[in-house]
Amino acid sequence: DSGVTQTPKHLITATGQRVTLRCSPRSGDLSVYWYQQSLDQGLQFLIQYYNGEERAKGNILERFSAQQFPDLHSELNLSSLELGDSALYFCASSVGDSQETQYFGPGTRLLVL
Amino acid sequence: SQQGEEDPQALSIQEGENATMNCSYKTSINNLQWYRQNSGRGLVHLILIRSNEREKHSGRLRVTLDTSKKSSSLLITASRAADTASYFCATAIIQGAQKLVFGQGTRLTINP
Repeated sequence: DSGVTQTPKHLITATGQRVTLRCSPRSGDLSVYWYQQSLDQGLQFLIQYYNGEERAKGNILERFSAQQFPDLHSELNLSSLELGDSALYFCASSVGDSQETQYFGPGTRLLVL
Repeated sequence: SQQGEEDPQALSIQEGENATMNCSYKTSINNLQWYRQNSGRGLVHLILIRSNEREKHSGRLRVTLDTSKKSSSLLITASRAADTASYFCATAIIQGAQKLVFGQGTRLTINP
């Protein structure tokens, strides 16, 4: 158990809908990272927050947004969902804003029908 | 090639044999990390090797880093069925905001 929690574990929704994925980092970790993993794209970095502020942005679509709250948990919002958004979404956390070890949550499996 | 490209993409060996996976990258790095992912689960950190290190061990794992060739290898000795998983290298590149860049992974299957 990494100490990173993600909810929900599974999500089934329809095209055009909006969903929110939630992540609680390990106790004491200030950075939260979001990744998308699909069969054909591998593990794609979406965005990083550090202590409430956006720190780095990757291949995140404009339909997606994220935030980190004062208690350091983070939410990833996915809107106007398309079939191609079906994937595993992982949250990871690390102690600081550095290139050290990241601890991954169990992921949220999103299926868009 | 991409930053952090694993080779081979898939590897199947018998239990008890050694498994070697390779990772090549393009740009200068601060460190290189290896992660394991069991099917559909979260990634688990295995080992971190810094750019000034050449070799590192952790249990049955041995990682080497050759910065002149921009490559790393992960050796798993005396493999077990439980080692069946995907293995990813992640490079901490010197320039750029993204902290770690993950490769596409090597799918390792250990046959009993």
